[in-house]
Amino acid sequence: QVQLQESGPGLVKASETLSLSCTVSGYSISSGYTWGWIRQPPGKGLEWIANIHQSGSTHYNPSLKSRVTISLDTSKNQFYLKVISVTAADTAVYSCARYGHEFDVWGQGAMITVSS
Amino acid sequence: QSVLTQPPSASGTPGQRVTISCSGSSSNIGSHTVHWYQQLPGTAPKLLIYGNNQRPSGVPDRFSGSKSGTSAPLAISGLQSEDEADYYCGAWDDSLNGYVFGAGTKVTVL
Repeated sequence: QVQLQESGPGLVKASETLSLSCTVSGYSISSGYTWGWIRQPPGKGLEWIANIHQSGSTHYNPSLKSRVTISLDTSKNQFYLKVISVTAADTAVYSCARYGHEFDVWGQGAMITVSS
Repeated sequence: QSVLTQPPSASGTPGQRVTISCSGSSSNIGSHTVHWYQQLPGTAPKLLIYGNNQRPSGVPDRFSGSKSGTSAPLAISGLQSEDEADYYCGAWDDSLNGYVFGAGTKVTVL
């Protein structure tokens, strides 16, 4: 079955860049679907960050668009998220997921803490 | 403040029926399908309902979704202790050109 696994640094310093990767197994991302990132601050709700279609077309949350980049590498069957100029407000569990018209398969999530 | 409005909490005793509301607008629920996600404590969200009222394989039929206009409630009938979780509605929004989630509803089984 399709599985997604996030990888990230765990701890990032304020003002620096956060880089995350999502490895997809059981499905070739070049075959189709859209792939996305969602985050959840501690004790709070879900926030959609960005989506990328296997063709490379992207959609971003307007509130984060200026600081976020989503990309993919079909040769590695991975997709990525970069967040620049992070602050404490970016502390959250970051999850990657497969998107049809809904997020039907999720990774387990990676906790990212921004330290001052 | 979320684009989709959900009550922060809901509760019921075992066997009862609980309904969670999700209210939006013409740019999201009014134009696109609604989805529901269940997040058990300490776990990743799981797709519970897609296409307004479709259940993925393995989701019990006591969970049901519907949509009317710009509202899309989730009903849990025959409430069980393992249904205690956070529930989020979601949909695409044309005005934001992005996906939006409700703030989530915590369901407690009394």
